[in-house]
Amino acid sequence: KAGVTQTPRYLIKTRGQQVTLSCSPISGHRSVSWYQQTPGQGLQFLFEYFSETQRNKGNFPGRFSGRQFSNSRSEMNVSTLELGDSALYLCASSLGQGLRYTFGSGTRLTVV
Amino acid sequence: DQQVKQNSPSLSVQEGRISILNCDYTNSMFDYFLWYKKYPAEGPTFLISISSIKDKNEDGRFTVFLNKSAKHLSLHIVPSQPGDSAVYFCAASARGNSGYALNFGKGTSLLVTP
Repeated sequence: KAGVTQTPRYLIKTRGQQVTLSCSPISGHRSVSWYQQTPGQGLQFLFEYFSETQRNKGNFPGRFSGRQFSNSRSEMNVSTLELGDSALYLCASSLGQGLRYTFGSGTRLTVV
Repeated sequence: DQQVKQNSPSLSVQEGRISILNCDYTNSMFDYFLWYKKYPAEGPTFLISISSIKDKNEDGRFTVFLNKSAKHLSLHIVPSQPGDSAVYFCAASARGNSGYALNFGKGTSLLVTP
């Protein structure tokens, strides 16, 4: 059974650019969440999608957005990148009924 | 504002002994708690969870205790093994109608020495 797949694994972008990260959940999982991990703040919730609808959103600026497709795959987009956006971005999926999320290995974003 | 706090950034324990990782929370609406383990270059892996209607949940070598009045939970690992060396995250959630969001602590790095 394939796990949660995130692409790309590593990314280097310049300040002001935008970036799109991709997440393919475990087959059958309809809930996808995104988290940002930084050394100073730990893991912080970005947003959660279920059946293409955003159900919950964390306390991040509007530069952070996401979407979910009909096949449950999800993308998150960060526009006008700032140095502080450098982080590990983690995607997690679940069947939708519980909180036992399965995480992907993450995308390491470096903004220079 | 950090609603879930893990006040010990690191912990070192000898193999075979008990590891106790602690977590405090401030939001009284939290009703579901989880522990995740994370190895370098991997995503967090679910370890064990507990609902607020219980005060203890056990799974093999791992036991989670919840003290609601103190807003405190702990993870006990007995006996500790070198393979348990990882970063452990405590997480909490308040289930609601608007979907689920996990509030994580900043993690405790556990080192189990032979």
